[in-house]
Amino acid sequence: AQSVTQLGSHVSVSEGALVLLRCNYSSSVPPYLFWYVQYPNQGLQLLLKYTSAATLVKGINGFEAEFKKSETSFHLTKPSAHMSDAAEYFCAVSDPMDSSYKLIFGSGTRLLVRP
Amino acid sequence: DTEVTQTPKHLVMGMTNKKSLKCEQHMGHRAMYWYKQKAKKPPELMFVYSYEKLSINESVPSRFSPECPNSSLLNLHLHALQPEDSALYLCASSQDTAFYNSPLHFGNGTRLTVT
Repeated sequence: AQSVTQLGSHVSVSEGALVLLRCNYSSSVPPYLFWYVQYPNQGLQLLLKYTSAATLVKGINGFEAEFKKSETSFHLTKPSAHMSDAAEYFCAVSDPMDSSYKLIFGSGTRLLVRP
Repeated sequence: DTEVTQTPKHLVMGMTNKKSLKCEQHMGHRAMYWYKQKAKKPPELMFVYSYEKLSINESVPSRFSPECPNSSLLNLHLHALQPEDSALYLCASSQDTAFYNSPLHFGNGTRLTVT
């Protein structure tokens, strides 16, 4: 079964610094991969998705992620953090070989942005 | 503004009460979902409806009863809940259950407290 691991339950960066949130998946078959963001007291919002097209995926709010099959990774980056980026970020995976099409979420990473 | 609307935003209920959570979307999506999210945890899938039929029940206790009256509406009926059922209940929808083509759109959730 597919699983996804997010390294670091909390990541703290200064405003204007690079944001790097890590996500690794476990599968020999490249899955579909997603990053979602959850702001306080809100639902989840899709940032970007990888579905076997370009390996560098650009999303909303200046975020992007690169699919690296050799490293089974899909890390999320943003060149310059903004205070409004403070939120919980979830990496998620869907197995294209699984007919149930379940979306499996990682444990989440809370991004803190220091002024 | 979210395109998936959930009501109520907050709900406090006793263990003997019967209540319902409601979810509505007008994006023409044919798949709808209920997720449960405990504090500082990722969402956990409860139910999936595809074309108004229940397609996935993740072994959810019978005190939770989903209903999909039509393609735009999804209800979750609650009866005899336990305090440990207190959580954020998220509704989501997608064009269909194939995530590669149709990521999830989440509502802002109902914050449920069982006393």
